[in-house]
Amino acid sequence: QITLKESGPTLVKPTQTLTLTCTFSGFSLRTSGVGVGWIRQPPGKALEWLALIYWNDDKRYSPSLKSRLTITKDTSKNQVVFTMTNMDPVDTATYYCAHMGHMGAAGIDYWGQGTLVTVSS
Amino acid sequence: DIQMTQSPSSLSASVGDRVTITCRASQTIGSYLNWYQQKPGKAPKLLIYAAFSLQSGVPSRFSGSGSGTDFTLTISSLQPEDFATYYCQQSYSTPQTFGQGTKVEIK
Repeated sequence: QITLKESGPTLVKPTQTLTLTCTFSGFSLRTSGVGVGWIRQPPGKALEWLALIYWNDDKRYSPSLKSRLTITKDTSKNQVVFTMTNMDPVDTATYYCAHMGHMGAAGIDYWGQGTLVTVSS
Repeated sequence: DIQMTQSPSSLSASVGDRVTITCRASQTIGSYLNWYQQKPGKAPKLLIYAAFSLQSGVPSRFSGSGSGTDFTLTISSLQPEDFATYYCQQSYSTPQTFGQGTKVEIK
């Protein structure tokens, strides 16, 4: 049974750095083709793809946000860490981590419950 | 980035209706197209992957078709639990962009 759960602050101030941790179980990030990604959703708006790390440590980022994003993995702890620098109120959103197999070709098949991050002074 | 455009943005339908949602990619993506259902306050749920493959556990009233740039999600007979927002997503290349969503409401 695959599960993922996001953890981190619910409130950050403008210009601060957001750090979120995705802790997962039921799969290994050592397995070929597996990836863990981050997607966000501002209140009442659409989903936005942010970043992805594959089993082989290949990392992909949204070009529009690339300068602000970092994604890393700790395979021994079954965790993926996501950071976004220079937070702004427009970054207020629910942030999801998610599992994808087959290099993502078969879609995002497991999602965390999401964590709402509010950016406000 | 590949842009994904869904239509309509919203629709009203009755239980038992046949519903069709379309998704267009700004460039060809082969069959790398996925569909998700999202209910308020919940994470999205994968319905269809690779354009027409039904995810395990998803009712057969959901189906997907298309390739290249034009894709369709069809619900053959709308059920009360199907009222939700639906998103398409391309997994052809990163960033794996989503459409803007289609909200299916009760008529």
